[in-house]
Amino acid sequence: DQQVKQNSPSLSVQEGRISILNCDYTNSMFDYFLWYKKYPAEGPTFLISISSIKDKNEDGRFTVFLNKSAKHLSLHIVPSQPGDSAVYFCAASDAGGTSYGKLTFGQGTILTVHP
Amino acid sequence: NAGVMQNPRHLVRRRGQEARLRCSPMKGHSHVYWYRQLPEEGLKFMVYLQKENIIDESGMPKERFSAEFPKEGPSILRIQQVVRGDSAAYFCASSPQKDRGGPEAFFGQGTRLTVV
Repeated sequence: DQQVKQNSPSLSVQEGRISILNCDYTNSMFDYFLWYKKYPAEGPTFLISISSIKDKNEDGRFTVFLNKSAKHLSLHIVPSQPGDSAVYFCAASDAGGTSYGKLTFGQGTILTVHP
Repeated sequence: NAGVMQNPRHLVRRRGQEARLRCSPMKGHSHVYWYRQLPEEGLKFMVYLQKENIIDESGMPKERFSAEFPKEGPSILRIQQVVRGDSAAYFCASSPQKDRGGPEAFFGQGTRLTVV
């Protein structure tokens, strides 16, 4: 029962262009969404988050969009840089529930940014 | 300004032995979470603890696995009688209490357990 899905296992983009990573969820109780970046042999690093009361959150080159009716969110990276090459995980939380910080992760998308 | 500290980074155990994984949360964080990442898969939630309390252990296997977060000292994830299928990366994360921000959790570097 995959409640958070990242349907693209990999994405390849040219340096300077936009990277768009997508994520879908099924659980209507999720009200907080996060993106993490992970390099091999390291722990995930928090990137950006969004509450369900918003539809957009921006932090520098990173913007997350949330479409609650479609149960879909996306991460935009503009402009993409070679150092952005990593695995990106989408995660969701029922922040209003009892397991406030418990995160449900997608399978990850491998982003490769070519110079 | 240490982040989440996990040790050891790598752990090799023979089948049937016990594995103990340690996690010290970020300073000021009172919530600890353990996740497991099997090869080629995403991270799966195992357990959520606060000091001296298990809040949610819905992701823990029913047998051989246990976790604690004592009043003093690090959180411990204990796996008894390890089997090859326990080989994975185990990540600990911590977050502040609920009224001090969103549920953003900060992760340690992980412990890579190999069962031979």
